[in-house]
Amino acid sequence: GQNIDQPTEMTATEGAIVQINCTYQTSGFNGLFWYQQHAGEAPTFLSYNVLDGLEEKGRFSSFLSRSKGYSYLLLKELQMKDSASYLCAVTNSNYQLIWGAGTKLIIKP
Amino acid sequence: ETGVTQTPRHLVMGMTNKKSLKCEQHLGHNAMYWYKQSAKKPLELMFVYNFKEQTENNSVPSRFSPECPNSSHLFLHLHTLQPEDSALYLCASSPEREVGTGELFFGEGSRLTVL
Repeated sequence: GQNIDQPTEMTATEGAIVQINCTYQTSGFNGLFWYQQHAGEAPTFLSYNVLDGLEEKGRFSSFLSRSKGYSYLLLKELQMKDSASYLCAVTNSNYQLIWGAGTKLIIKP
Repeated sequence: ETGVTQTPRHLVMGMTNKKSLKCEQHLGHNAMYWYKQSAKKPLELMFVYNFKEQTENNSVPSRFSPECPNSSHLFLHLHTLQPEDSALYLCASSPEREVGTGELFFGEGSRLTVL
């Protein structure tokens, strides 16, 4: 089968750094997405990785290791507004998008 | 504001009712999607439309019936639903049928409760 594993919930402190991990087992790989979803709102695109390495975009960075089937989303200088669910999704060899169940991130003052 | 609007935002219906969910996108995209989101579960792709033609139906029960009259509008007709169908139904669009390669633009969803 194909699956994406990510922690169900994480808690971090405002101003700190948090890393949300995602591991995947899929039939082939054609890219990995991260989306952010605030409660009651639409998921919104954060990042896309297709090659190994780190992609930085402001306070958010996303890392990919294809050989390890692993990615992480790094959030720096955490703000209260970063409290949300973070969804990891992988495109397989058939260009199907396989989704993880999401990580709920709670930011405390 | 993502450019994808869903109505109603909340819907409560009995198992014998018939209702419809509506999605409209103002982005000029050609592909539209219905996803089901249940608590603590991955997003489930239900239907895909590309240039108004249905290109994917992921073994969805016939009590869910999609309709795409044009590239900007997508409906999900509901009838004789079951309580386990209670979930958040998300509509999404993309420039073309590239669900695996491009960014998806989601609506805020319709929260459905089946009594």
